[in-house]
Amino acid sequence: DVKVTQSSRYLVKRTGEKVFLECVQDMDHENMFWYRQDPGLGLRLIYFSYDVKMKEKGDIPEGYSVSREKKERFSLILESASTNQTSMYLCASSFQGSDYGYTFGSGTRLTVV
Amino acid sequence: QQQVKQSPQSLIVQKGGISIINCAYENTAFDYFPWYQQFPGKGPALLIAIRPDVSEKKEGRFTISFNKSAKQFSLHIMDSQPGDSATYFCAASTGSARQLTFGSGTQLTVLP
Repeated sequence: DVKVTQSSRYLVKRTGEKVFLECVQDMDHENMFWYRQDPGLGLRLIYFSYDVKMKEKGDIPEGYSVSREKKERFSLILESASTNQTSMYLCASSFQGSDYGYTFGSGTRLTVV
Repeated sequence: QQQVKQSPQSLIVQKGGISIINCAYENTAFDYFPWYQQFPGKGPALLIAIRPDVSEKKEGRFTISFNKSAKQFSLHIMDSQPGDSATYFCAASTGSARQLTFGSGTQLTVLP
């Protein structure tokens, strides 16, 4: 069963901490994406990557960075967590240039206190 | 800026009824319009999608209607069932990585 796996289902961190959210896919997809989901705002694109070591800013990249050292793994980094980054974070992947749709992970619920 | 606007925010329908969710977009570069369905505790999953050269697409009980001139598209769920209760997101894509811009979501409740 093909899938996107996010390392943590729930995470609680303190303000100012450096936070790593990990995502691994086993479908050999070229594209990987990080979204955050907030009630009433839908899913907003933070960063995406279309190849190893390549990254592009999405709509809300401020306060975040990403790393893609291997094709199957895409990490989201919160350099200094703040309370307004409390959210559900969703990772997704897809084939390059296709419209077969994204495969999403189940999400990481991050709470920053 | 919200490039894809979705309404209503929530929708309650009786079993057997028709559920209708509407979306409007601004960016004329969008060229693919999928709908995603999300159940609690799960990530969104692709439900149905349409390209702008087609005015309607039907898959089972789910139909997308697309109006290119008005820059609007909608999801119709016929004979709605309690198992359809979920959050629905419209989206639009463009760009080399086909990155998706999502609407704000509609929480659908189908009463038994």
